[in-house]
Amino acid sequence: AGVTQTPKFQVLKTGQSMTLQCAQDMNHEYMSWYRQDPGLGLRLIYYSFDVKDINKGEISDGYSVSRQAQAKFSLSLESAIPNQTALYFCATSDPTSGVFADTQYFGPGTRLTVL
Amino acid sequence: QKEVEQDPGPLSVPEGAIVSLNCTYSNSAFQYFMWYRQYSRKGPELLMYTYSSGNKEDGRFTAQVDKSSKYISLFIRDSQPSDSATYLCAMRSGGSNYKLTFGKGTLLTVNP
Repeated sequence: AGVTQTPKFQVLKTGQSMTLQCAQDMNHEYMSWYRQDPGLGLRLIYYSFDVKDINKGEISDGYSVSRQAQAKFSLSLESAIPNQTALYFCATSDPTSGVFADTQYFGPGTRLTVL
Repeated sequence: QKEVEQDPGPLSVPEGAIVSLNCTYSNSAFQYFMWYRQYSRKGPELLMYTYSSGNKEDGRFTAQVDKSSKYISLFIRDSQPSDSATYLCAMRSGGSNYKLTFGKGTLLTVNP
């Protein structure tokens, strides 16, 4: 199955909270969350090398993450605001795979709309 | 100046054309350069990967990196309608830092 994300679509009202789920079956250690906005491209929110290693990316404000297991990495919005409307991608990498260890494998994405 | 600049297009070409996609960057620490392809409503997937300067060819695709000019290119020969997608350049510095910096992506349409 590779990288799976749930839900595929979500509509929230301002102030609501939600959690986006990501799971992978490739035994990859590295997992990350990106958001994609028209005209802004892909931007890194958080990344993690293992369950005890969580790092902020370039746009972490307003988001939190949890690495529940090597295979699961969730992204939470505590109080959603309209400018968090975007397409969210989970991506994984295998740091042990040699030369192309940083190759990112992306999930299908979650389209989030905040009204 | 953004670290990575990429013309968003859109770019529309006839089938069989040679396509040139480009990115420029400002961070001289970048050593690893990638091109990802993203079909509509899908996640990006790695298309080409190049380390440092030079060329890499894979079928109809050629990736070029010119570190002296801070310029990378992706060429698509004999373009096909199935090549219609958004192409994103990505790059990172060396070491164990896996943080990629992406360009905004170029939307390509190949018309039959």
